[in-house]
Formats: sequence, C-alpha cells, structure tokens
Amino acid sequence: GAGVSQSPSNKVTEKGKDVELRCDPISGHTALYWYRQRLGQGLEFLIYFQGNSAPDKSGLPSDRFSAERTGESVSTLTIQRTQQEDSAVYLCASSGTYRTREAQYFGPGTRLLVL
Amino acid sequence: AQSVSQHNHHVILSEAASLELGCNYSYGGTVNLFWYVQYPGQHLQLLLKYFSGDPLVKGIKGFEAEFIKSKFSFNLRKPSVQWSDTAEYFCAVNLYSSASKIIFGSGTRLSIRP
Repeated sequence: GAGVSQSPSNKVTEKGKDVELRCDPISGHTALYWYRQRLGQGLEFLIYFQGNSAPDKSGLPSDRFSAERTGESVSTLTIQRTQQEDSAVYLCASSGTYRTREAQYFGPGTRLLVL
Repeated sequence: AQSVSQHNHHVILSEAASLELGCNYSYGGTVNLFWYVQYPGQHLQLLLKYFSGDPLVKGIKGFEAEFIKSKFSFNLRKPSVQWSDTAEYFCAVNLYSSASKIIFGSGTRLSIRP
C-alpha cells in the first residue's frame, strides 16, 4: 500500500484479556517501530525492528508486552493480561533503513481502551 | 536520561500572527532533529528535519526551524499562520549514537482563530 496501515483502528477489551495489534509497513521499508501515546502525552518508544530482528526492546514497559515481525513485513504487538494503564493509542512507523537520518512514516494508530 | 521538552502545551493565535514553538533537548552528543505535525484526524507526518549543515531548516507549508546547539534548542517558526495550521506539533530527537530510538516531546496543540 501507499502508507503504513494498522488494524484494528479501535479496540475495546476487558482487563485481563490479551490483545493483538497489527502493523503493515510501507513496502520495502526495513525498519519498523512501535510507539505508545497516552492521552495528553508524547510518543513513548516501545520497540524497533531491523528486518525481523529486534535489536532494541528497551521501551517495552513489562513482560506482558511482546512483538514479532515476519520478514520485512507485518508486525504484531501483543499485550497479555491487559491492564487499564495500557489504554493508549499504539502507533507504528516504518522507515527505509535502520540508519540514523531516516524520517519515519507513521500509521493511523490503534486506539486501545481497557475497561 | 535523554529528553525533549516542549514547554507550550497549548498555543492559541489569530490568523496572520507569527508563530514560535519551543523545543529543547537534553543530550550532549550529535543529534538529528525533527518536527512532526498531526492535523485533526490525520496521521503524524514529517514537517521538517535537521541533520547537519545550515542550522536554519525550511520545511513544508512555510515552516522553518533553527537549530541552536549552544542552547540545545530547535524552535519551530512560521511568520504568518493560517487557520489550516491548527494541529498538534511534536518535536523529536534522534540520537546519532542510537540508530533506532527517536525521542518525542509531549507535543504542542496549536489552535488558530479564523
């Protein structure tokens, strides 16, 4: 596609349930990033993929959060046993390479609400 | 820890007014600097970027930003705003030593009165 796409656009879940968020990067982009944006706050880095490996997982807030990527394509962010504080917009971005000086192209985000 | 500060949380201006949004970062090494914009109902998109060279960077839609290394600042400016500039603006810093991580500020909401 022309841009980064994410699904679902909105997700409402009950506390304790698992959720999967999907990201389709721009075709040919090797680098993929996940961010979280809580209401009224800036973007919080979660994880970055270079191809299908994740050299930097430093932003994952707890072991309930995990992510994987198939080749240089789709990525899935999984949150297990969701908590109310997980409610946020989860943004995915991709860039042409993993090198510095690359601007990132963002998807529309998945708005997650944990009741 | 590295951080990016945007001190103005909400700025309200009339059309044709001049704009300056502040951005300061805390990191002593080499950085790349970005401003992103999110118009209502749209994705985050790149407004402009600074990597090296001329510290005055021009972006889309008449925006510019100046990198002042001694002040650790990268303020965004526009001489005359339009109603269509209503959006949220995010400053971001990419540490040259860390290819992966871009650190974002908390954003500034800009409202333009027609």
